[in-house]
Amino acid sequence: EVQLVQSGAEVKKPGESLRISCKGSGYSFTSYWIGWVRQMPGKGLEWMGIIYPDDSDTRYSPSFQGQVTISADKSISTAYLQWSSLKASDTAMYYCARRGGSSSGYGMDVWGQGTTVTASS
Amino acid sequence: SYELTQPPSVSVSPGQTARITCSGNPLAKQYAYWYQQKPGQAPVLVIYNDSERPSGIPERFSGSSSGTTVTLTISGVQAEDEADYYCQSADSSGTLYVFGTGTKVTVL
Repeated sequence: EVQLVQSGAEVKKPGESLRISCKGSGYSFTSYWIGWVRQMPGKGLEWMGIIYPDDSDTRYSPSFQGQVTISADKSISTAYLQWSSLKASDTAMYYCARRGGSSSGYGMDVWGQGTTVTASS
Repeated sequence: SYELTQPPSVSVSPGQTARITCSGNPLAKQYAYWYQQKPGQAPVLVIYNDSERPSGIPERFSGSSSGTTVTLTISGVQAEDEADYYCQSADSSGTLYVFGTGTKVTVL
């Protein structure tokens, strides 16, 4: 079964660092781009950026450039999203998703279950 | 960057047809994708390449495109179709995506 499994919920204080993960299985992890999506409470989906795990080619949305770092470790089929200094406004659900191939026309065809991040003092 | 605009809400009676539009300049040249998100769940891809349906998605979901507007149509709406729907497209590089503003579909 093709799936992306994300790390568990996180509660941090503003100013702290954080890294959340997204582990792929059931397919060739290095052959598909992995994207990250933010959803703030009660709000819509926001595109953050995308990485190609085979060579770590990374593209950021201008809105998130410099605010987060996307990385991947292909040896363990895992992508990461990290913050060096969290803000209260980073409180949100974060999803990873696989960009499909020809069978889904490059839409995001597999999604992780989401990771809730809460940054509160 | 660019924006994709959707109506905030659409209401429809069971068995009727719901149509959700998504407008934005890039749609004239780039494909659109549609996602369904139910409360507390991750989004699900329901339409790709403007009008193609992934395996497992019911036939009542269809998509179309005209100029800078794409439309998701749900024919014979069922109670289980009540959800938020988002369009998405990418720039010419195929890696800078944007989501639409989202539409809440309510089944009366």
